[in-house]
Amino acid sequence: KNEVEQSPQNLTAQEGEFITINCSYSVGISALHWLQQHPGGGIVSLFMLSSGKKKHGRLIATINIQEKHSSLHITASHPRDSAVYICAVRLETGNQFYFGTGTSLTVIP
Amino acid sequence: DARVTQTPRHKVTEMGQEVTMRCQPILGHNTVFWYRQTMMQGLELLAYFRNRAPLDDSGMPKDRFSAEMPDATLATLKIQPSEPRDSAVYFCASGYATHRGSLEPQHFGDGTRLSIL
Repeated sequence: KNEVEQSPQNLTAQEGEFITINCSYSVGISALHWLQQHPGGGIVSLFMLSSGKKKHGRLIATINIQEKHSSLHITASHPRDSAVYICAVRLETGNQFYFGTGTSLTVIP
Repeated sequence: DARVTQTPRHKVTEMGQEVTMRCQPILGHNTVFWYRQTMMQGLELLAYFRNRAPLDDSGMPKDRFSAEMPDATLATLKIQPSEPRDSAVYFCASGYATHRGSLEPQHFGDGTRLSIL
């Protein structure tokens, strides 16, 4: 069993749609990290959060510590949002990180 | 625009050879991470440093891998001897952590694509 589960694994959306990617985890964490990996392989850190909500442009990340769940939302999706989105958690005790297997998003014009 | 610089970008070598990958973190960042990514395993954290001291290396095979930070501007990841299963993309990332341990988002390098024949 993976400590971090993401859903869906694959997602195809029409340009302009509102997108939600989910991340559930089974361990106590001190922080959760959302990463974006572009088709060329480059990785961008989107958010690190330990509570509440963060917003950057069209991206919003929320976390519910009690429910051990985080969501990444993309408003007004665009083809350039096509990427793999990876959720990672930092353990509450110790310094280890666990990673989800990623959600592959394709936004069609 | 500050960037994390990794060298080499690509490396092909025969099994048994020593491989050294280098990373120059962003100036002022006090935390450096080494990740490995494969199709089978996805993204894994191998090791990370804070203020040049190793904070966690539990993800790294100790028998053949070693990670060091000789100074604040250079992090190295070595594999000796290399094996075909080490073929992967290795990413370095740097970030800034406050004294309370709160970590700001990381900046990733472009990765080293390693192929062991």
